[in-house]
Formats: sequence, structure tokens, C-alpha cells
Amino acid sequence: DAGVTQSPTHLIKTRGQQVTLRCSPKSGHDTVSWYQQALGQGPQFIFQYYEEEERQRGNFPDRFSGHQFPNYSSELNVNALLLGDSALYLCASSPDREYYGYTFGSGTRLTVV
Amino acid sequence: QQQVKQSPQSLIVQKGGISIINCAYENTAFDYFPWYQQFPGKGPALLIAIRPDVSEKKEGRFTISFNKSAKQFSLHIMDSQPGDSATYFCAASIRGYSTLTFGKGTMLLVSP
Repeated sequence: DAGVTQSPTHLIKTRGQQVTLRCSPKSGHDTVSWYQQALGQGPQFIFQYYEEEERQRGNFPDRFSGHQFPNYSSELNVNALLLGDSALYLCASSPDREYYGYTFGSGTRLTVV
Repeated sequence: QQQVKQSPQSLIVQKGGISIINCAYENTAFDYFPWYQQFPGKGPALLIAIRPDVSEKKEGRFTISFNKSAKQFSLHIMDSQPGDSATYFCAASIRGYSTLTFGKGTMLLVSP
């Protein structure tokens, strides 16, 4: 049973560019959440998608946007990249309203130069 | 969401010793307190979790102690092993919201 799959694993982008990260949730999970983990810090909640709608959002600017597809997979888009956007981006999936079923992927390491 | 404060930032324990990591929170709406373990290059993995209606939960060598009045909870790793060397995060969540507020993490090193 595959867990949460994220791609790519590593990415280097130039300041000002745009990036798209992808996530396939664990089988049976329909809710996808995205977290940003800066070096030496705990993950910070970006937003959550359920039924193709953004259900909750953390304290992140509008440069961060997302999408969920009918097969529950999700994308995270970041526009106008800043050096401070360099981080590990984690995708987590869960059955709706069952937060104890949270499963994280291994993340995408984004470096902005 | 309110912050979850975690200490210490790093910890070195000898093999066979007890590792203790502490967390404190302020938001009394939190009602679910998980601990996650993260190895380098991997995402966090759920280790053990507790709800505020119990004061302690034990799973193998891992125990969560919870003090609702003090708004504190801690992770105890008994008989610590080198394979336990990882970063540990406490977190908290509010019923009905499947989002987590994480502490800043504790890097644990268990020396052989």
C-alpha cells in the first residue's frame, strides 16, 4: 500500500520564478494538507484541500496557491519565489475529519537561489 | 492557532537511558496531542498521540505524560537506542480541524 508520494524530491529555482509541487495521497485518503518546514523548524501549515476546495488556510501569502484534482491528488504552486521560500514542502493526507490518520510524504526540498 | 513551545532544542542520551522532551501550549481548544519522529530526508511519522481526557499513554518504550492544568505534555523514551536518534516534534490540533500546530523540534542523539 503506497503512502503519500511527492514529486519532485529536490528542486532548485531562481528568485522570481514560479514552482509547482505535486502530491498523491495515501490510498483511501481524500484530504490533502501542505506544510512548509524551514531548516531547523517544525512544519507550518499552508493550506488544506478537500473535495477540490481549499478548506483551511494558514498564515501564508497569496503567492501560495493550490489545487486538488478529482482523484484527490494535489498541487502546490508558489509564484514570485523569494529566497525565504527555500524549505522542505511536506504533503500530508488523511481521511476527512480523522486527523489521527495523518500521513506525511517525504517532501520536496526547494532551494531558491 | 497558538504556538506550541518545545524543549530542549537538542538532547544527547546514552544508550539505555531515558530521553525526555517537553512541550507547552496555550490554546485550551487543543484536544489532540501527537508526537512525530522525523529522520533526515524523510517526512514526519506519527509516533504516539494522546487526548486530554487521560494523563498518560504508553506504547512500547514510548510514553506521553499529559498535565491538562499546566497545559504541558511530554514524551519519555525508555531504554533509548541509537536507532531512536532523530528529530522529535510535538504537535497539537483542535477537534474538527485536521491541521496541526508543531513545536520547533528536538534533535535527539543516542550515543552507543
